[in-house]
Amino acid sequence: EAGVTQSPTHLIKTRGQQATLRCSPISGHTSVYWYQQALGLGLQFLLWYDEGEERNRGNFPPRFSGRQFPNYSSELNVNALELEDSALYLCASSFYTNEQYFGPGTRLTVT
Amino acid sequence: GEDVEQSLFLSVREGDSSVINCTYTDSSSTYLYWYKQEPGAGLQLLTYIFSNMDMKQDQRLTVLLNKKDKHLSLRIADTQTGDSAIYFCAGASGGGADGLTFGKGTHLIIQP
Repeated sequence: EAGVTQSPTHLIKTRGQQATLRCSPISGHTSVYWYQQALGLGLQFLLWYDEGEERNRGNFPPRFSGRQFPNYSSELNVNALELEDSALYLCASSFYTNEQYFGPGTRLTVT
Repeated sequence: GEDVEQSLFLSVREGDSSVINCTYTDSSSTYLYWYKQEPGAGLQLLTYIFSNMDMKQDQRLTVLLNKKDKHLSLRIADTQTGDSAIYFCAGASGGGADGLTFGKGTHLIIQP
């Protein structure tokens, strides 16, 4: 069974630009979670999508947004990029919320 | 909300047992998890324990939960070089609606 996949693996952007990150969940999973792993800050919860709806978000500004498509894949958009947005962005999927399986992540570098 | 604390480093000899500790603050955490992260990789779910359990064993892994002290531990028996990684403790409160709250991770260093 294929695991969670994320694309691209690496993304380099300039301050002020927009970044789009993509995630495909494990087949049959309806929930997608996004996390940010920034140096020194650890892993922080960003967003939760379930059945196409945003269900909850962590303590991040509105320029972090996303959506979930009918096939349950998800997209994370980060607008007006700042240097401190440089991090590993991890996506996780679950069927029920007690087990979250993570993808390999997208490394975003903002210069 | 949940707060999770872990020590940053643990060094053990190959073949010994490793015990990684974690404390958490939210007693309503329904599930507590251990994840492993190897360099440059995502997180691998190792095991998890439901809050009404005291212990869970899965091959070389043993999880112990002390609810009174809000203390969780992961024991890895017969530690191998392939166990070298960062281990994260995480809790889920709010039925998982708030996502997982992670500790900062424990770097497990294996000495030959």
